[in-house]
Amino acid sequence: DGGITQSPKYLFRKEGQNVTLSCEQNLNHDAMYWYRQDPGQGLRLIYYSQIVNDFQKGDIAEGYSVSREKKESFPLTVTSAQKNPTAFYLCASARPGYYGYTFGSGTRLTVV
Amino acid sequence: GENVEQHPSTLSVQEGDSAVIKCTYSDSASNYFPWYKQELGKGPQLIIDIRSNVGEKKDQRIAVTLNKTAKHFSLHITETQPEDSAVYFCAALGGSGGSYIPTFGRGTSLIVHP
Repeated sequence: DGGITQSPKYLFRKEGQNVTLSCEQNLNHDAMYWYRQDPGQGLRLIYYSQIVNDFQKGDIAEGYSVSREKKESFPLTVTSAQKNPTAFYLCASARPGYYGYTFGSGTRLTVV
Repeated sequence: GENVEQHPSTLSVQEGDSAVIKCTYSDSASNYFPWYKQELGKGPQLIIDIRSNVGEKKDQRIAVTLNKTAKHFSLHITETQPEDSAVYFCAALGGSGGSYIPTFGRGTSLIVHP
């Protein structure tokens, strides 16, 4: 079955550490996205990529970095510069054009 | 840029009742309007969408209506069941500039009481 896989499901990080969240899709989608969701909040766009080797900042990119070396993969690194990283992180992918997203199941990151 | 307002933020209904969630958008050029359902601890799932050349679309117990003149669209769920309990998000895209990035509403928490 085609889909989008995020790992790990839960992640704990000590302050000052960088962590990388994995996102892999086998849907052959060109575009991939990272969103952050805080309790009771909507979805805020961190980064997106519409083609391999190219990505754009979203609304809240500070303290995050991404890469897009393969069409299937779009990892997100939460750096120590992100002041409040505890949140639910969602990866999504989509076909070119006006189509809906396919979301992953999310990674819950907690800073301890 | 686009702005999407979603109401209500919380909706509580009895099993079997209907539920309606409304969204308004600001950019008259937007042309694609998806709805997502997010169950607790999971990622959102696309449940229905509508394009600007259509006024209504149905899929079993769910339907979406679009009023382009008034710039609002609504999700209708009939004969609600406890498994419909979730957070629902609307979105709009395709506005001025042809952006493929959706603008999401802030979500509606639907609670269906057995």
